[in-house]
Amino acid sequence: QAGLTQPPSVSKDLRQTATLTCTGNSNNVGRQGVAWLQQHQGHPPKLLSYRNNDRPSGVSERFAASRSGDTASLTITGLQPEDEADYYCSAWDFALSAWLFGGGTKLTVL
Amino acid sequence: EVQLVESGGDLVQPGGSLRLSCAASGFSFSSHEMHWVRQPTGKGLEWVSTISVGGDTYYAGSVKGRFSISRENAKDSLYLQMNSLSAGDTALYYCVRESPGGFGGFDLWGQGTTVTVSS
Repeated sequence: QAGLTQPPSVSKDLRQTATLTCTGNSNNVGRQGVAWLQQHQGHPPKLLSYRNNDRPSGVSERFAASRSGDTASLTITGLQPEDEADYYCSAWDFALSAWLFGGGTKLTVL
Repeated sequence: EVQLVESGGDLVQPGGSLRLSCAASGFSFSSHEMHWVRQPTGKGLEWVSTISVGGDTYYAGSVKGRFSISRENAKDSLYLQMNSLSAGDTALYYCVRESPGGFGGFDLWGQGTTVTVSS
């Protein structure tokens, strides 16, 4: 497997909870976990979480990352209109000595 | 102000070369691992290359042997020399800082510079 797998799209209602997934293998997600990035149209990505659930200063506690085996998850609670964006996961692959990105998930807030 | 500013993107013919630059300011550049990440229009992110604090370099398979990353700490600058360019290299190229904690903490991104490879 030469990448991380994310569902292309997820749609949820306002104020609901969305869980985005990122699946890799034991050489990447399963070994060290992932970072999560948010990208709004026309803007550079923004770091939401890394080292599994460390959040940079200023990132809302509504964003929570977790990992189980080779699958990582980003849970966004109390969805807001501004959460509508593309979300990417990223992990270092120890076998490839390369950073991998998922294909991204487009989150729509209805 | 803490920021990264890329430059050097241009329209170039297939087989041509280009050198991207990234000027860092507002933080201790020499203390951070740095990356280039690219994004074709309307598509996802693709890691291109990394240079460690100590100067170790890493490349995506798609660019290995054609691209070269370097840094000049005295000038707070990061570079990407791109040779033998093809249409598949067309993208917005981001300069990215990694937090000292590592683990993919890509915590600072530039606005990007556009590379277009076309005849």
